[in-house]
Amino acid sequence: ETGVTQTPRHLVMGMTNKKSLKCEQHLGHNAMYWYKQSAKKPLELMFVYNFKEQTENNSVPSRFSPECPNSSHLFLHLHTLQPEDSALYLCASSSGGVGSQETQYFGPGTRLLVL
Amino acid sequence: AQSVTQLDSHVSVSEGTPVLLRCNYSSSYSPSLFWYVQHPNKGLQLLLKYTSAATLVKGINGFEAEFKKSETSFHLTKPSAHMSDAAEYFCVVTRILTGGGNKLTFGTGTQLKVEL
Repeated sequence: ETGVTQTPRHLVMGMTNKKSLKCEQHLGHNAMYWYKQSAKKPLELMFVYNFKEQTENNSVPSRFSPECPNSSHLFLHLHTLQPEDSALYLCASSSGGVGSQETQYFGPGTRLLVL
Repeated sequence: AQSVTQLDSHVSVSEGTPVLLRCNYSSSYSPSLFWYVQHPNKGLQLLLKYTSAATLVKGINGFEAEFKKSETSFHLTKPSAHMSDAAEYFCVVTRILTGGGNKLTFGTGTQLKVEL
């Protein structure tokens, strides 16, 4: 399997549920990213990991908890979400070099609906 | 701070006619700019990128964009539209992160419709 994969592709959860989104990249990259794409709002960066270390948190509420156990895998743990958190969550990866404008490769996304 | 403004939320063209998707940027220093495309139920794909080399950048599928500093613009063009070009297009300004990687700031997107 190549590129960036995300599971599940669709998720419906209640506000009291706990769920996790998974991202896996098969490109040998070292940087991984979570983005949120809401209706009628620009894509927003949420978190950045480079060599498994979190390097950016774009003021994301604590009900979103990322985890990066290795450079190939990235998780987003969800708990006590709100209906306004319903969105498409996109994962991306890049080579992770310092000082270069890298291409980010995106997965297909997880469509999340919070009831 | 950096930002991009996509001037049209929807553009409709006939197959075989030229495509123009407009983007203006704001940046306090010389920016790097990308165009990404998003087809339904698929991930974002990079079309092309400008990183301070040649101002006319050629991308995939016949698309190109010209960086014009005097106009703070980075418009995307294609001479002849194809039905398969129907998708949403995002103009992006990027910032290198000190911890590695880069931060993409997206425009609001332009939905391109191609009619027969």
